[in-house]
Amino acid sequence: GAVVSQHPSWVICKSGTSVKIECRSLDFQATTMFWYRQFPKQSLMLMATSNEGSKATYEQGVEKDKFLINHASLTLSTLTVTSAHPEDSSFYICSAARDKNTEAFFGQGTRLTVV
Amino acid sequence: KNQVEQSPQSLIILEGKNCTLQCNYTVSPFSNLRWYKQDTGRGPVSLTIMTFSENTKSNGRYTATLDADTKQSSLHITASQLSDSASYICVVSANSGYALNFGKGTSLLVTP
Repeated sequence: GAVVSQHPSWVICKSGTSVKIECRSLDFQATTMFWYRQFPKQSLMLMATSNEGSKATYEQGVEKDKFLINHASLTLSTLTVTSAHPEDSSFYICSAARDKNTEAFFGQGTRLTVV
Repeated sequence: KNQVEQSPQSLIILEGKNCTLQCNYTVSPFSNLRWYKQDTGRGPVSLTIMTFSENTKSNGRYTATLDADTKQSSLHITASQLSDSASYICVVSANSGYALNFGKGTSLLVTP
């Protein structure tokens, strides 16, 4: 149990376009989902925390208008990178937890390349 | 400031050998410590999770230790296999476990 799936696994897009990444908890309901960004040989950096049915909480320095997060159901959260630029190229990882006090399980990540 | 420091940054060992990875942390108040394995281009996969009262926990060839007094943890890999090549990340949780503090990871390469 506790499977978290991300889609797509990788995506290449042109500068200026928007890209949506999905995070799904396949066998449990996740009231809380987390979105991370990871640069090569760096640790995961938390971007934002989303709770089902409410607005996401963004970490300092993360632009909420650029990284749109929606957590409309207990099994799905989406991250939309708007007006993507080459510097947005990175590895994006989500994790999902039943609630804020339980262990969160990670998705397999999405490699975004903006050209 | 909550910090998690891992060493070494990278490690190369021969297949079949053992190795030990280190994690020192300053996270307080401590809730739990987790070791993850992250293959290149993949999300982290949990290996072990330990609370304050646990000194050691094993998962197959992986054995994690925790010294809450010195705020140190280690991950010992026995009889390494080529598939063990990955980044190993130490993650320490504060308070109720909601906030995660990530180490930068140790990159392990197991060679034939």
